Amino acid sequence: DIQMTQSPSSVSASVGDRVTITCRASEAIGSFLAWYQQKPGKAPKLLIFAASSLQSGVPSRFSGSGFGTDFTLTLNSLQPEDFATYYCQQAKSFPFTFGQGTRLEIK
Amino acid sequence: EVQLVESGGGLIQPGGSLRLSCAASGFTVTTNYMSWVRQAPGKGLEWVSIIYSGGDTYYADSVRGRFTISRHSSKNTLYLQMNSLRVEDTAIYYCARDNGRGSYAFFDYWGQGTLVTVSS
Repeated sequence: DIQMTQSPSSVSASVGDRVTITCRASEAIGSFLAWYQQKPGKAPKLLIFAASSLQSGVPSRFSGSGFGTDFTLTLNSLQPEDFATYYCQQAKSFPFTFGQGTRLEIK
Repeated sequence: EVQLVESGGGLIQPGGSLRLSCAASGFTVTTNYMSWVRQAPGKGLEWVSIIYSGGDTYYADSVRGRFTISRHSSKNTLYLQMNSLRVEDTAIYYCARDNGRGSYAFFDYWGQGTLVTVSS
């Protein structure tokens, strides 16, 4: 199985800050990577697919980059509604696997 | 409007069976790749199973041989038949649709989830 490792596990930031979350795959996955946001009690929401493509309706302050094994999710100018948990997920091969999550908290 | 609504969760004893349903609207289940993803209480996300538009199915090792994914075209509904349930199957189960943009598993729509609790 492809292991997905996110860092950090948690991060504290303030409204208006820029935050970067990284995700590393245990083997190369090309651009077969997605990022999700999940708020307590809610289903995950797709933010980025194919490593850098913004899902329709997602604000442009979210961006993704990377290829192969190393990927990043960048949140620019944090808004109050961005405080949540973020997951990366590889869609290259079975079983599709998720990172352990990064909790973004208000400082 | 695309919508997914799960049902069928509940409390079940170890070794028991349960069938989850995911009623879809706004699109056709049989022409999309559909998956089940679960989340144990306070834990991360785990992909469970996928059914391709052509009908092929795949499973996580942890559920293969015990769970069966299927769909009903006229009801536009996805199912997950879960047999020989274990305590470690306790989770919120989500159905999710692939966004059709280059993979089988970029999940753009999710249901609200249904809680399965396996306990004696």
